[in-house]
Amino acid sequence: KAGVTQTPRYLIKTRGQQVTLSCSPISGHRSVSWYQQTPGQGLQFLFEYFSETQRNKGNFPGRFSGRQFSNSRSEMNVSTLELGDSALYLCASSLGGSGLNEKLFFGSGTQLSVL
Amino acid sequence: GNSVTQMEGPVTLSEEAFLTINCTYTATGYPSLFWYVQYPGEGLQLLLKATKADDKGSNKGFEATYRKETTSFHLEKGSVQVSDSAVYFCALSDQTGANNLFFGTGTRLTVIP
Repeated sequence: KAGVTQTPRYLIKTRGQQVTLSCSPISGHRSVSWYQQTPGQGLQFLFEYFSETQRNKGNFPGRFSGRQFSNSRSEMNVSTLELGDSALYLCASSLGGSGLNEKLFFGSGTQLSVL
Repeated sequence: GNSVTQMEGPVTLSEEAFLTINCTYTATGYPSLFWYVQYPGEGLQLLLKATKADDKGSNKGFEATYRKETTSFHLEKGSVQVSDSAVYFCALSDQTGANNLFFGTGTRLTVIP
């Protein structure tokens, strides 16, 4: 069974640009979550999508947005990039049932560098 | 609010040494607790979890016990191997959303032969 796939693996952008990252979950998984990982702040939750709807949202500005398609693939977009947005962006998928404590399966991440 | 405080790294141990990585948490209600591991070049993987007080999670020789009285979830392994070299993250999920995890800052473990 293929794991969680994130593309691209690396991205270099300049301040003010926008960027779109993609995540393909494990087949059959309906929930996709996004996390930002930085050396200073560690791993922080961005948002979660389930059945094409945002189900949970972390404490990030509106420049960070996402969506989920009918095949459960998800994209996240960051507009008006800032230097501080440089980070590893991780996507995680899970079955997405209503129960808690689901096991999350993480992708290898997209390393974004903002110059 | 919810937060996780994890032992600062890096930690360097010789093979077969005993490992403890401390983790304490602050949460409202009754969170579930997790340890995730990140091997070089790979995504995070769930190592073990515990969902209620006094539960012990275990996997691959690692163990952690959910201690509500001390709000702790320390990770232990009796005899580490070189292949255990990785970054270990303690995390909690509150009861509002299964996939909204609060992570500690991570502890890098290096095991030398």
